[in-house]
Amino acid sequence: DAGITQSPRHKVTETGTPVTLRCHQTENHRYMYWYRQDPGHGLRLIHYSYGVKDTDKGEVSDGYSVSRSKTEDFLLTLESATSSQTSVYFCAISVTATTDTQYFGPGTRLTVL
Amino acid sequence: DAKTTQPTSMDCAEGRAANLPCNHSTISGNEYVYWYRQIHSQGPQYIIHGLKNNETNEMASLIITEDRKSSTLILPHATLRDTAVYYCIVRVGGNTGKLIFGQGTTLQVKP
Repeated sequence: DAGITQSPRHKVTETGTPVTLRCHQTENHRYMYWYRQDPGHGLRLIHYSYGVKDTDKGEVSDGYSVSRSKTEDFLLTLESATSSQTSVYFCAISVTATTDTQYFGPGTRLTVL
Repeated sequence: DAKTTQPTSMDCAEGRAANLPCNHSTISGNEYVYWYRQIHSQGPQYIIHGLKNNETNEMASLIITEDRKSSTLILPHATLRDTAVYYCIVRVGGNTGKLIFGQGTTLQVKP
């Protein structure tokens, strides 16, 4: 299994509070991704990073920000959590962005009350 | 990005081959076909991918039609642990490398 960990694995928070999810990799891969998974929608890309300090938006980026100050860590922040952000969040990594395989972390289940 | 169409669900008897079809009739010449699966509550797991030739690895075989408009994932000897949602994804090369997941096929392997 690829060396990807996510923390926390489960979190319950209240509407309006800030939340940060962490993805940590030990593979030294250049590309990292954040997806969310909701019933009826499959997995959708939130943000991705193609290097330290290099990030870009995915298809559902509103309400989320990311940061990558080190190769191994990719942080996803919900500045002010809303109930619509209740979801399971997956991090993924890949060596390149072209045809390289993406490896996924175990996921974080976030509930916003 | 090309869209994929998969059956919503399939059953397979344990020990038999599971053949999961995928239609990607709008695929472009530089788009790869990827298969991932997701076992309940876990992160998606890579299975196999191909461009135009058939591919085989330790997990599965991928058969792509000559016109590349459809493909079939074959699990040669399905086990109960292969019960999962299987996603067929058409992926474009480029800077994002994003994967667009559809609804997938829920494969139920039965004893």
